Amino acid sequence: EPEVTQTPSHQVTQMGQEVILRCVPISNHLYFYWYRQILGQKVEFLVSFYNNEISEKSEIFDDQFSVERPDGSNFTLKIRSTKLEDSAMYFCASTPLAGGPNEQFFGPGTRLTVL
Amino acid sequence: AQTVTQSQPEMSVQEAETVTLSCTYDTSESDYYLFWYKQPPSRQMILVIRQEAYKQQNATENRFSVNFQKAAKSFSLKISDSQLGDAAMYFCAYSWDSNYQLIWGAGTKLIIKP
Repeated sequence: EPEVTQTPSHQVTQMGQEVILRCVPISNHLYFYWYRQILGQKVEFLVSFYNNEISEKSEIFDDQFSVERPDGSNFTLKIRSTKLEDSAMYFCASTPLAGGPNEQFFGPGTRLTVL
Repeated sequence: AQTVTQSQPEMSVQEAETVTLSCTYDTSESDYYLFWYKQPPSRQMILVIRQEAYKQQNATENRFSVNFQKAAKSFSLKISDSQLGDAAMYFCAYSWDSNYQLIWGAGTKLIIKP
């Protein structure tokens, strides 16, 4: 069964460094999302991506964050200059259609630890 | 703004018994969708069940069913015949006719006692 994959599973970085989190959505899916979950807190929406552009972003998704789909398969989240408060689990999700209450299929997450 | 509230941080149930997890939400939208996701220790989110707000009939998926009360903005999950594999964090989530981003509750940790 197709699944969303994410790499790495755990990333440790120094404050101020850039990190790129990678996701490979399910191949025929059209809508892509990033969410984060700070330990012990709610899952929070970061950004959605459709037709090669951001369709919506939350107030968390500031200028330090960017997303791209460089090669038609990978979907990346870049954090330019990491802060301690960026430490969280980052989940990628994809959904097959552009509209409707479709199930979002989640990857296993990347645990980001900023020291 | 849309919000989702899960007031039970933790619930426990004896194996084979029934448990109900609560969820309330707030929205001014008329068309929206509600979901329950399960997050086992492996941490991958798995969809358990979903409900379209325009449907009056409560959704069911095998041992999982919901009690959707639109006027009360309540969306509870009932798990019948609880199994050890049901142990996980359960998240209630909401989306609407925008780009279908999910708004999440804080989660309920479900413990199954053998």
